[in-house]
Amino acid sequence: DTAVSQTPKYLVTQMGNDKSIKCEQNLGHDTMYWYKQDSKKFLKIMFSYNNKELIINETVPNRFSPKSPDKAHLNLHINSLELGDSAVYFCASSHGTSGIGNTQYFGPGTRLTVL
Amino acid sequence: GENVEQHPSTLSVQEGDSAVIKCTYSDSASNYFPWYKQELGKRPQLIIDIRSNVGEKKDQRIAVTLNKTAKHFSLHITETQPEDSAVYFCAANTGTASKLTFGTGTRLQVTL
Repeated sequence: DTAVSQTPKYLVTQMGNDKSIKCEQNLGHDTMYWYKQDSKKFLKIMFSYNNKELIINETVPNRFSPKSPDKAHLNLHINSLELGDSAVYFCASSHGTSGIGNTQYFGPGTRLTVL
Repeated sequence: GENVEQHPSTLSVQEGDSAVIKCTYSDSASNYFPWYKQELGKRPQLIIDIRSNVGEKKDQRIAVTLNKTAKHFSLHITETQPEDSAVYFCAANTGTASKLTFGTGTRLQVTL
């Protein structure tokens, strides 16, 4: 199936731990994103990579570190997890960076719960 | 930066009625306006989009209108069905780096 996939789907962990979420797309897209969706359903962009280069870096704590080993993969590592990090994290991908016609395809999400 | 406001936050309609969701944006350079539907526990999925050189676009029961002068765009769903129940997000791009700014979402409930 052509799609954006994420692992794991659920992640439950203790405060202070370090965790990673992985994302892969086989749509041949050049650009990948991480979004955070909080309990109020607000969707906020965190990072974007184009051809492995960071192009969007919103005001996200530096405990969050994205990494793109190749243009089909974008991982998110989170250090020293805090209660406020609990959310659903969505990966997305799209063609190019022109903005117009920039359909973003989302992964299934990773629900992170920090206890 | 871009700011996208979306109203209403919740909307309840009876099956067969129409639903309208409205968004305003702040960046006059925005030229692409997609709408996403997110069912409970699922991922957001694109349902329709419009570019700034078009005033209206239709796809079966859904349509989107854009008023560039007033910087607002709307989603119209006609003949609503229970499966239309979901959270709908509008979004607008900024001029560079393909960033989308999303509205705060509208929870649509279609009742029988």
